[in-house]
Amino acid sequence: EPEVTQTPSHQVTQMGQEVILRCVPISNHLYFYWYRQILGQKVEFLVSFYNNEISEKSEIFDDQFSVERPDGSNFTLKIRSTKLEDSAMYFCASTDSLAKNIQYFGAGTRLSVL
Amino acid sequence: AQTVTQSQPEMSVQEAETVTLSCTYDTSESDYYLFWYKQPPSRQMILVIRQEAYKQQNATENRFSVNFQKAAKSFSLKISDSQLGDAAMYFCAYRSALDAGNNRKLIWGLGTSLAVNP
Repeated sequence: EPEVTQTPSHQVTQMGQEVILRCVPISNHLYFYWYRQILGQKVEFLVSFYNNEISEKSEIFDDQFSVERPDGSNFTLKIRSTKLEDSAMYFCASTDSLAKNIQYFGAGTRLSVL
Repeated sequence: AQTVTQSQPEMSVQEAETVTLSCTYDTSESDYYLFWYKQPPSRQMILVIRQEAYKQQNATENRFSVNFQKAAKSFSLKISDSQLGDAAMYFCAYRSALDAGNNRKLIWGLGTSLAVNP
């Protein structure tokens, strides 16, 4: 069964460093999302992406964040200068059609900022 | 803005028994979707069940069913014949049905941690 793949599963970085989290959505999907889950808190929406551009972003998604679909398969989230509070689980999701409205999630990347 | 509330941080159930997880939400919209996702220790988010607000019939998926009360803005999940593999964090989520503009994101509750006792 097709699935969303995220790498790495765990990323440890120093405060101020740049990180890139990678996602390979399901191949025929057109809509892509990033969410984050800080330990013990709600899952929060970060950004949605369609047709090679951001369709929506939350207030969390400030200038330190960017997303890119560099080729036909990968979807990346970049954090330019990580802060301690960026430590969280980051989930990528994709959906094939708005009509189905089902977002399929990857297993997540645990980001630890030291 | 829409909100989702799960008032039970933790629940437990005996294997083979039935358990109900609660979820309430707040919205001024009339058309939307509601979801239950399961997050086992592996942290993967797995869709359990989905309900369209315009449908009166409650969704069911094998041992999982919902009690959708639109007027009360309540969306509970019932797990029948609980199995050890059902132990996980369960999240209730809301999505607007409006596709114009920016309404495709999921809005999440805090989750309920379900333990299944053998």
